This record gives sequence, C-alpha cells and structure tokens, in this order.
Amino acid sequence: NAGVTQTPKFRVLKTGQSMTLLCAQDMNHEYMYWYRQDPGMGLRLIHYSVGEGTTAKGEVPDGYNVSRLKKQNFLLGLESAAPSQTSVYFCASSPHSNHNEQFFGPGTRLTVL
Amino acid sequence: AQSVSQHNHHVILSEAASLELGCNYSYGGTVNLFWYVQYPGQHLQLLLKYFSGDPLVKGIKGFEAEFIKSKFSFNLRKPSVQWSDTAEYFCAVNSGNTGKLIFGQGTTLQVKP
Repeated sequence: NAGVTQTPKFRVLKTGQSMTLLCAQDMNHEYMYWYRQDPGMGLRLIHYSVGEGTTAKGEVPDGYNVSRLKKQNFLLGLESAAPSQTSVYFCASSPHSNHNEQFFGPGTRLTVL
Repeated sequence: AQSVSQHNHHVILSEAASLELGCNYSYGGTVNLFWYVQYPGQHLQLLLKYFSGDPLVKGIKGFEAEFIKSKFSFNLRKPSVQWSDTAEYFCAVNSGNTGKLIFGQGTTLQVKP
C-alpha cells in the first residue's frame, strides 16, 4: 500500500494564481484532513471530510476550498493565491473513529510570490 | 476553544541525556491524546497515543508519556536519547466524533552526538 500520497511535492505560484493540491489514500479511510504547517505554529486544520461527498471547515479555512468526490481523494484548492498561503501542506486520513491515529502524507511545499 | 501548549520550543541535548517535553491542553471533557514525530524531511508519524486506562503509555523507540488529568498534561519522556531522535515533536488532542486534531506548536529536539 502507498498509504497517503500528495501531488505535487513542490510548487511556486504568483499572487493571484490558482492551483489544486491532490491527496489520495488507499487505506479505505472514511476521514480525511488538510493541514498547513508554519514555523512556530504547529499544524492547523484547514478543512476536513468525514466521508465521501461531505466537507467541513477547520480552524483556518479562508482562501481555500475542498472537494471529496471520491472516498480515496481529497482535493484542496486555492482560487487566488496570496503570499500568506506560503506554507507546507499536509494531508491526513484516518478510519472511522476518534481513537484512530491519523496517517499523514509527505507534504506539499508551496511558495506564493 | 481547545488549545494545546508545548512549553519547550527548541531543546538541545547530548546523547544519553534524559528527555521530557511538556504538553498541556485546555479542554475539560474526554480527550484523546497523541504525540507525533517529524524526522527531518519526512512526514509526521505517530509515537504514541492515550485514550483510556493506564495513564502511562509506551510508544515506539523507547518513548513514553504520562497523562495527568488533574494537570491537563501529557508529557513525553525518554530515559536516554540518541542522535537519531533529532526531530520535531508535536503533541495533539482530539475530542468529539470528527477526529479533528488540535496540535501544539511543536518542539524541535536536537541531539548532539
């Protein structure tokens, strides 16, 4: 099993450009999450999904949109990138339970100029 | 709102020294507690978790953590660190039924050989 994969690994955008980050998991997990990691701030939840076709806002959702059309995929979109969105983005997935650990992808390093 | 606080932001130790990283959370209900580690250039992986039962939990690579409910704390310990323990360590808490994690700011551990 590949676990959780993310594409792309790196990306540089200009302010105002749009892009989509793809997260895929092959573990048949119900829950999926998008976090951003910034120095000194830990990981902060952007959006999450508790099942196919459902999404919800996390701690820092502004400027991002998500879709979960298929159970195994969770897409994170930036419609109009801003320098404040320069960050490392991590996707995670977990089975249907609070007691389960989250499995993380390798991350996407995004720079917005 | 829930929050997680890690007191030490950057810790430098020599090999064989003992380690204790502090973690406090601010939620009075039932919580699930986690410690994740991020080795340089890698994704987050689970060190250990606590849901219920024995408040002293043991994880991988000789790490352990103690849940002290009265102090809202979940400190991470290791009796003797190795150079390979150099990494960033994150404490996290979840509650409710969505599995959402609230992360602390992270502690960077540097072990000198």
